[in-house]
Amino acid sequence: GAGVSQSPSNKVTEKGKDVELRCDPISGHTALYWYRQRLGQGLEFLIYFQGNSAPDKSGLPSDRFSAERTGESVSTLTIQRTQQEDSAVYLCASSLSITDTQYFGPGTRLTVL
Amino acid sequence: AQSVSQHNHHVILSEAASLELGCNYSYGGTVNLFWYVQYPGQHLQLLLKYFSGDPLVKGIKGFEAEFIKSKFSFNLRKPSVQWSDTAEYFCAVSPTSGTYKYIFGTGTRLKVLA
Repeated sequence: GAGVSQSPSNKVTEKGKDVELRCDPISGHTALYWYRQRLGQGLEFLIYFQGNSAPDKSGLPSDRFSAERTGESVSTLTIQRTQQEDSAVYLCASSLSITDTQYFGPGTRLTVL
Repeated sequence: AQSVSQHNHHVILSEAASLELGCNYSYGGTVNLFWYVQYPGQHLQLLLKYFSGDPLVKGIKGFEAEFIKSKFSFNLRKPSVQWSDTAEYFCAVSPTSGTYKYIFGTGTRLKVLA
């Protein structure tokens, strides 16, 4: 059975460039979450999607960050004009519902030079 | 605001020692509670969860946690740790109603010395 997958696994970019991170959730999971994990720190909630409801974007750190989800499938997290402080591991998770167990992907390690 | 506190940021134990990691949350309503673990180089994965019923829940690898509603706590325990338990442990809380907030604690790094 397929778990949550994320691509790319690693991304190195130059400051000021845009990046797009992809998440494929487990089939049938209506809820999808994005988190950021900076080195040595805990999970920082970014955004979540629940079915066709409007996403909760309250965790996005700035307007350079945006995310989309097509129905109950793939999601992309876009960071525009990347800054060095954006360097982190970006984790995606999905769950059957918003209160249920979350299943995490392997993450995308983003390095902004 | 809802929050989850893990007071122990770094814990170092010798093998066979007993473990207790604290987790306290602030939320007045009913919650689901989780402990997740991240072993070195691996994904975050569920260790155990509490939704309802017996407040003492057992998870994988001999871990257990006790929900004490009056103390808003969900501490993780293991009677005898192994070197392979070296990992980062995250407590998480999810309200069962109202607006979504699945809140993670900042994590506890456990190092078990062989």
